[in-house]
Amino acid sequence: GESVGLHLPTLSVQEGDNSIINCAYSNSASDYFIWYKQESGKGPQFIIDIRSNMDKRQGQRVTVLLNKTVKHLSLQIAATQPGDSAVYFCVDNAGNMLTFGGGTRLMVKP
Amino acid sequence: SQTIHQWPATLVQPVGSPLSLECTVEGTSNPNLYWYRQAAGRGLQLLFYSVGIGQISSEVPQNLSASRPQDRQFILSSKKLLLSDSGFYLCAWSQGTSGGYEQYFGPGTRLTVT
Repeated sequence: GESVGLHLPTLSVQEGDNSIINCAYSNSASDYFIWYKQESGKGPQFIIDIRSNMDKRQGQRVTVLLNKTVKHLSLQIAATQPGDSAVYFCVDNAGNMLTFGGGTRLMVKP
Repeated sequence: SQTIHQWPATLVQPVGSPLSLECTVEGTSNPNLYWYRQAAGRGLQLLFYSVGIGQISSEVPQNLSASRPQDRQFILSSKKLLLSDSGFYLCAWSQGTSGGYEQYFGPGTRLTVT
């Protein structure tokens, strides 16, 4: 079936560097995407979203890029901090459903 | 502002015992409500969702059930727990009944079935 998946299970970056987390999706009809951050033992936290009529959206230290041609999303985190350590989910929101992939674990080295 | 509560935070139950997890939302009306389960190191699996009082849709057949007795209350239940029911249970809410609305998650309940 249709699914949202992530390229890498774990990403390790140095504190202060930029992080890029990639995500591929397979549902060509998807028109809304969300990035969630989940810290250990907590519920997912909304970070940023993007609709299919956009190819870029910026938030505070985060940027999401959407390439509909190749069905690819990325989340860029600028000046990564220890508090950014978490699992990041790229989520396809179609109808009432969210399709979660396995997530990418971001580890920030001091 | 809206808040979502779940309790208990952690629960250890023996196989065959009943289960009741509760979720409540404050600060909004007529939300869509969702129950998810997350296995260790995995993504979230949608179990149930509700668009209104008494309206429950099941996504995965299992020995769990859900109920929505009030607009902002969502309950996950089981009559007899299985070992495979262990996991992290998350409740979420969203506005609207069509796509394009972010979901906001509660703090979760860690269930261990022994």
